[in-house]
Amino acid sequence: DTAVSQTPKYLVTQMGNDKSIKCEQNLGHDTMYWYKQDSKKFLKIMFSYNNKELIINETVPNRFSPKSPDKAHLNLHINSLELGDSAVYFCASSQGGVVTGELFFGEGSRLTVL
Amino acid sequence: GQNIDQPTEMTATEGAIVQINCTYQTSGFNGLFWYQQHAGEAPTFLSYNVLDGLEEKGRFSSFLSRSKGYSYLLLKELQMKDSASYLCAVVDSNYQLIWGAGTKLIIKP
Repeated sequence: DTAVSQTPKYLVTQMGNDKSIKCEQNLGHDTMYWYKQDSKKFLKIMFSYNNKELIINETVPNRFSPKSPDKAHLNLHINSLELGDSAVYFCASSQGGVVTGELFFGEGSRLTVL
Repeated sequence: GQNIDQPTEMTATEGAIVQINCTYQTSGFNGLFWYQQHAGEAPTFLSYNVLDGLEEKGRFSSFLSRSKGYSYLLLKELQMKDSASYLCAVVDSNYQLIWGAGTKLIIKP
């Protein structure tokens, strides 16, 4: 069983489109995250969601919106896609709202905007 | 600003030992992680240090000096499968993870 799974793994789309990436974890963790890894390989936190509270990174454009139907799922919706959104997006989870433990990552979703 | 520095790339020989350094300047410190990331795959956890000293786990060891803002990851008996990027990440005073860009390690036979 995959601990953290995200779909789709690859996504190619045109500028201006809206797309979603889904993430599910079966570890029973109460905190989930979305990270963006750009071409320079930096991992940048976009959002973290702890069961009750969504923490938004202020540098993330409001075209990006996370949605969490329950604590096992954290989806990412992106409106009006731009060329600069091309990157690999990783979902992750951890136990506890404070990062003092291991992060478990999904396999990543490679988004290419043409 | 917050900063994590690691060498961009290193090369080592199969069977040898390699040390990957990480220096950090962050607002506060609540621990340091090392993750391994193979090309096209997700990062996976290697180690966590919050106190000064050396943590050993099989062929991999991680060292921390909080006063120097410095850590290293030591890989012994290198194998071809160790070819990957190694990411250093620091938990700051706001309990946010600050990531380095990673060190790409190339292992040659």
